[in-house]
Amino acid sequence: DAGVTQSPTHLIKTRGQQVTLRCSPKSGHDTVSWYQQALGQGPQFIFQYYEEEERQRGNFPDRFSGHQFPNYSSELNVNALLLGDSALYLCASSFVLAGQPYEQYFGPGTRLTVT
Amino acid sequence: AQKVTQAQTEISVVEKEDVTLDCVYETRDTTYYLFWYKQPPSGELVFLIRRNSFDEQNEISGRYSWNFQKSTSSFNFTITASQVVDSAVYFCALSERGSQGNLIFGKGTKLSVKP
Repeated sequence: DAGVTQSPTHLIKTRGQQVTLRCSPKSGHDTVSWYQQALGQGPQFIFQYYEEEERQRGNFPDRFSGHQFPNYSSELNVNALLLGDSALYLCASSFVLAGQPYEQYFGPGTRLTVT
Repeated sequence: AQKVTQAQTEISVVEKEDVTLDCVYETRDTTYYLFWYKQPPSGELVFLIRRNSFDEQNEISGRYSWNFQKSTSSFNFTITASQVVDSAVYFCALSERGSQGNLIFGKGTKLSVKP
């Protein structure tokens, strides 16, 4: 049973560029959430996708956008990169049953460095 | 406002010592969920436990135990007879009803277990 997978593992971009990160959820999960983890900090929620729509969003600017595909995989796009976007980006998958959220399973993350 | 506080930034112990990681949370919801995750140097967050607000029973899983006290809004984690493999950053997290399972993390506690 494959867990959550993310690609690429590492990425180096220049300020002002755009980046796309990818995530495949754990088998049986239909919900994907994205988190940003700055060095030495806890992860911060960016947004969540369910049924190909953004269902919830954290306090992140519109430069951060996403997409979910029919097979439940997801992409995170960041435009006009800033130095402060350098972080570990974590994808988590889960399912909600009868309105009760179950634990989120995390992927290994993508380390983004903006120079 | 919802918040998770892990006051201990770093803890260092010698193998076989017991160690307790503290977690204090704030929420206005009466229905909420508490989690602990482990983040080894590889970066992937590993789910350890989920607790809902109606279940204050303490839980033990092998060398791990959790103490949930609503009266003090705390959800502490104890490792008995620590091992070097326990070295990691541990995060406490909160999920409120209606948040679709999305997590509010504390800043984490870095545990170093020395042989």
